[in-house]
Amino acid sequence: GAVVSQHPSWVICKSGTSVKIECRSLDFQATTMFWYRQFPKQSLMLMATSNEGSKATYEQGVEKDKFLINHASLTLSTLTVTSAHPEDSSFYICSAIGGLSPYNEQFFGPGTRLTVL
Amino acid sequence: GDSVTQMEGPVTLSEEAFLTINCTYTATGYPSLFWYVQYPGEGLQLLLKATKADDKGSNKGFEATYRKETTSFHLEKGSVQVSDSAVYFCALRRNSGGSNYKLTFGKGTLLTVNP
Repeated sequence: GAVVSQHPSWVICKSGTSVKIECRSLDFQATTMFWYRQFPKQSLMLMATSNEGSKATYEQGVEKDKFLINHASLTLSTLTVTSAHPEDSSFYICSAIGGLSPYNEQFFGPGTRLTVL
Repeated sequence: GDSVTQMEGPVTLSEEAFLTINCTYTATGYPSLFWYVQYPGEGLQLLLKATKADDKGSNKGFEATYRKETTSFHLEKGSVQVSDSAVYFCALRRNSGGSNYKLTFGKGTLLTVNP
């Protein structure tokens, strides 16, 4: 199947700093990418949907100025957590869809563990 | 809104035991239903899916049948292996247009199979 990578796999930062997480589709062009957040023993919660070359669509309750998403190319999307606080500590997962239909299969990255001290 | 409820884990079984992980859903209309598996250190992978009532999805010995009357999509396997140890997620997706292609996940069930 198609491969999606995330970098870094884990990161620890100080409160108030910004952290960037990369999501790459390695062997296909991703027209749409999704960013999820997962708390311990909780389901994946969709944060935002990004389409290459356009602004991301955020889910209700997600602060777009805090979670900046850039989908600048067909193989790369980035999530920047700005002015991070301990409550932003979580597991962040991206997924990507190839082709033109949003109903195509989503391929998931392995996730990034963010810890804010 | 849409929701997925799956049985709480963790589930611990011996090799060759029978596995059932229950999943029920609430959604408008007729969603597609999915089971994803996440092995340690890896991303979620699609295990199987069903797109309409009475469909049976199957893969790697796992099966699940879309039961509209009970709004369920229970995952089963007749004989589990140690290599099946993973977290299993049930999910649904609406099939109408617009932004309704988003996935809604259950909380996941950790399965551990002992030799």
